Amino acid sequence: GAGVSQSPRYKVAKRGQDVALRCDPISGHVSLFWYQQALGQGPEFLTYFQNEAQLDKSGLPSDRFFAERPEGSVSTLKIQRTQQEDSAVYLCASSLEAAVTDTQYFGPGTRLTVL
Amino acid sequence: GDSVTQMEGPVTLSEEAFLTINCTYTATGYPSLFWYVQYPGEGLQLLLKATKADDKGSNKGFEATYRKETTSFHLEKGSVQVSDSAVYFCALSRNTNAGKSTFGDGTTLTVKP
Repeated sequence: GAGVSQSPRYKVAKRGQDVALRCDPISGHVSLFWYQQALGQGPEFLTYFQNEAQLDKSGLPSDRFFAERPEGSVSTLKIQRTQQEDSAVYLCASSLEAAVTDTQYFGPGTRLTVL
Repeated sequence: GDSVTQMEGPVTLSEEAFLTINCTYTATGYPSLFWYVQYPGEGLQLLLKATKADDKGSNKGFEATYRKETTSFHLEKGSVQVSDSAVYFCALSRNTNAGKSTFGDGTTLTVKP
């Protein structure tokens, strides 16, 4: 079976543009996570969905960041009015259940560069 | 808040050398602990995990023991191979946070033949 996929793999945006990043989790996975990974650092949590419900968005850095998962499968992370500090790799992960011990499967990430 | 501190890299070893990558954590309660690996050009993948104190996680010759008394989860391998060259991340998840993970900054390992 396919793993977690993300698109686009690379995105270059001019400052002030809006971007949308897509995540296709493994089919049937209940939990979906978004992380932001700056160069040379570990991933940092952005938001978490259990099915279509966004249960935790405490990591979203500003109100320019918005995520949705309307049908409990595909998710989109949207960044409005991008800034240079938004440049990072955005990782999506999914897990089968909602337990903390469940294995999270990561996608390859979307590398966003804001000029 | 929760935090994970990893041994700073990069680490360079010769093939068949012994590997230790240190990891310590700060968290309330009883977190689950993980090591992830990122091979060149690939995504993060789980290497091993331990969910309670004194548990030992193991996979592909790597081991790590959950030490609550020292809040540590050091990664070890007795004999590294060139194919082990990658970035290694230590992480924790707290039971009250529905699996949200806190990661260390990663340690880059290069193994030379």
